Amino acid sequence: QSVLTQPPSVSAAPGQKVTISCSGSSSNIGNNYVSWYQQLPGTAPKLLIYDNNKRPSGIPDRFSGSKSGTSATLGITGLQTGDEADYYCGTWDSSLSVLFGGGTKLTVL
Amino acid sequence: QLQLQESGSGLVKPSQTLSLTCAVSGGSISSGGYSWSWIRQPPGKGLEWIGYIYHSGSTYYNPSLKSRVTISVDRSKNQFSLKLSSVTAADTAVYYCARGTVASFQHWGQGTLVTVSS
Repeated sequence: QSVLTQPPSVSAAPGQKVTISCSGSSSNIGNNYVSWYQQLPGTAPKLLIYDNNKRPSGIPDRFSGSKSGTSATLGITGLQTGDEADYYCGTWDSSLSVLFGGGTKLTVL
Repeated sequence: QLQLQESGSGLVKPSQTLSLTCAVSGGSISSGGYSWSWIRQPPGKGLEWIGYIYHSGSTYYNPSLKSRVTISVDRSKNQFSLKLSSVTAADTAVYYCARGTVASFQHWGQGTLVTVSS
């Protein structure tokens, strides 16, 4: 059971928008930056969002991040079949460790 | 272009020590401001942070693994290493090395599967 809670799965049709939530506490998300990762099958995770809402070079603006209180959200617009993947949130915790959410499997119907 | 490549034993016997190395190319491991991490993923499960070392040599470990983990840097070889002692089947996972900051990891190795089995 992860300290950061994500829905196990979400789905949407191509071209639509989807959001993935990540819920934590004041010990982690509430007082630290959140990052988001995309993991395609059989590959290493890829950083999509860091510092809550910043995109590394090369990440399309279809991907966005936000944070409010002790929760964070990843948004993906204009869904493509290539977006089917597992998505993870991550942040620092007051226990002096990095936490990851349990992961959310995105299905593009 | 920074690249990281994990190497080490893919099969470890229970109670023994898992040892992995991450070779860094395209950048210096002595560059300031970055963390050099180990992260693992059991088959079919999520990501688990193991720990990291900063260029200064400071280390931070997952509290649940701290008693068994050592992360070190070899600047002369531009690489860093992981040692995990007293392994059990629960330590079977794909192990990734990564470079990042406090809690975001931009550069990842391809990962290496380590199986704990007699």
